[in-house]
Amino acid sequence: GQQLNQSPQSMFIQEGEDVSMNCTSSSIFNTWLWYKQDPGEGPVLLIALYKAGELTSNGRLTAQFGITRKDSFLNISASIPSDVGIYFCAGQEPGTASKLTFGTGTRLQVTL
Amino acid sequence: DTAVSQTPKYLVTQMGNDKSIKCEQNLGHDTMYWYKQDSKKFLKIMFSYNNKELIINETVPNRFSPKSPDKAHLNLHINSLELGDSAVYFCASSQGAGGYGYTFGSGTRLTVV
Repeated sequence: GQQLNQSPQSMFIQEGEDVSMNCTSSSIFNTWLWYKQDPGEGPVLLIALYKAGELTSNGRLTAQFGITRKDSFLNISASIPSDVGIYFCAGQEPGTASKLTFGTGTRLQVTL
Repeated sequence: DTAVSQTPKYLVTQMGNDKSIKCEQNLGHDTMYWYKQDSKKFLKIMFSYNNKELIINETVPNRFSPKSPDKAHLNLHINSLELGDSAVYFCASSQGAGGYGYTFGSGTRLTVV
């Protein structure tokens, strides 16, 4: 089935730095979502995007729905230690109601 | 007050056994899901139910059988457990087709020995 590729796979950054990650697919998506998963917990929704070109912010997080509808980007500004975790993109393809396809994940680690 | 709750949190069992994982949501959502997360953290959908009706059944061995007694509950029964079934299983719910995102439970870590 469809798989979303995320990059980078993992990253170490210093506290205060900005972070960028992206997600690409071989087919178009109607909806892009970004989730964060903390150890021992389920993923939690961060941002949802519904239109090509849409740019949405949630605090220090900003995400964009790519113009081609085949990619999405997440930026985190001024990272803090609690940003540590795994970030997943997820998308909903046309005609696949009730099914989200998840990306391969980006593991973020922050050093003080 | 937990929105999507799964039990048990941890499950260690021997190969060949049958086990169940329970899931309940109190969000009033009409769609529920089971996802499997493997050791590389990849999340893959297994099943989806809408108002107790099965709407997604991915390529999953028929040893896995979901049951939804009502729209607030979706349980997962696994027969004849195998070593490869070891993973974290997540229940989730959404209103409608999930375009506004899912709410996930905290997962059940299944270890088959």
